[in-house]
Amino acid sequence: EVQLLESGGGLVQPGGSLRLSCAASGFTFSSYAMSWVRQAPGKGLEWVSSISGSSVTTYYADSVKGRFAISRDNSKNTLYLQMSSLRAEDTAIYYCAKDQRFWGQGTLVTVSS
Amino acid sequence: DIQMTQSPSTLSASVGDRVTITCRASQSISNWLAWYQQKPGKAPKLLIYKASTLESGVPSRFSGSGSGTEFTLTISSLQPDDFATYYCQQYNSSFGGGTKVEIK
Repeated sequence: EVQLLESGGGLVQPGGSLRLSCAASGFTFSSYAMSWVRQAPGKGLEWVSSISGSSVTTYYADSVKGRFAISRDNSKNTLYLQMSSLRAEDTAIYYCAKDQRFWGQGTLVTVSS
Repeated sequence: DIQMTQSPSTLSASVGDRVTITCRASQSISNWLAWYQQKPGKAPKLLIYKASTLESGVPSRFSGSGSGTEFTLTISSLQPDDFATYYCQQYNSSFGGGTKVEIK
């Protein structure tokens, strides 16, 4: 059974940094691209970033380019999102996703002073 | 970047109604489109992939069509469990703004 478990969310001040993790199980992690998607309170879904299975290719939404970095450790079956220069508008639930089919439960990031 | 535009943003319908949601891409995305259903407090659930392929376990009243820049999600006979918000997504990229299906 595919499982995705996000962690690392919390309250952070504007301008601060945070690293999210997504622990994956139930599939051959290194064989699949992975993505981060976020949802601000009461708003729609926003794709944030994707990474290929080998980490060769990464993609970012314009809204986070230059501030966020996606990475993965295939030996640990874990996906990461390093977030820096955080803004109030980055406040959201952050989901990790495999393909379009499997999603984690999300982790809440709140950017506020 | 390719923009995805969904319409309508809100739809009021009754149980048994046929419902159609439209998603337009700013440039051709072939059939690389997915449709999701999301209920409050839950992660999105995949309904349709590759524009028209029904995900395993999803009721057959859901169907998808289209290619290139214009796509539709149709619910043939709306059921009480279908009141939710629906999103289209270009694979591993941008989402539409969402369509909330409400009880009329």
